[in-house]
Amino acid sequence: DAKTTQPPSMDCAEGRAANLPCNHSTISGNEYVYWYRQIHSQGPQYIIHGLKNNETNEMASLIITEDRKSSTLILPHATLRDTAVYYCIVRYNNDMRFGAGTRLTVKP
Amino acid sequence: ETGVTQSPTHLIKTRGQQVTLRCSSQSGHNTVSWYQQALGQGPQFIFQYYREEENGRGNFPPRFSGLQFPNYSSELNVNALELDDSALYLCASSYTGHSSGANVLTFGAGSRLTVL
Repeated sequence: DAKTTQPPSMDCAEGRAANLPCNHSTISGNEYVYWYRQIHSQGPQYIIHGLKNNETNEMASLIITEDRKSSTLILPHATLRDTAVYYCIVRYNNDMRFGAGTRLTVKP
Repeated sequence: ETGVTQSPTHLIKTRGQQVTLRCSSQSGHNTVSWYQQALGQGPQFIFQYYREEENGRGNFPPRFSGLQFPNYSSELNVNALELDDSALYLCASSYTGHSSGANVLTFGAGSRLTVL
């Protein structure tokens, strides 16, 4: 079973920030949080990952709470091409266990 | 660097048949994971191969089997196909090093299997 909980769907206006939450209350001390997205049933695309500190790359920012029980993926200026299913994953043994994800719809 | 490539992209089989799906890992990667994604669901972990051996398995029956070759490419074999095996099969490669740490997966585009 996935170790994360995400809202099933969210909407965001084009050009605005999209903030996607994820709960992972049972995360262990050495487990990373990963975010992937999947567009039109293509293979999932890696976005970002983090352990304790907040992270930023060219695609997004990842904010992890101090107790590490939740995180937020931030797309700073969402575009229509960011419409996708976003998966928050905590590594479990040797596999990445995907949940159902959040379907983000960016609207004009 | 080349990404993860999978073949075939689409195929149709009938119940009871066997299928082999192939995956070439990204350059520099030594670990391959396979996932099954049914329509409308998230990917489900099937198994992982590292050093040509199975290195973790999800909740899939033994008729799902795999191989990893010395060049790190991999095959997924499914015997006695059932209608519920219809899905997108995703291969992902990654690098496993000596120290534990982040394990970023690079996915292929998938092989879509239809079982009639």
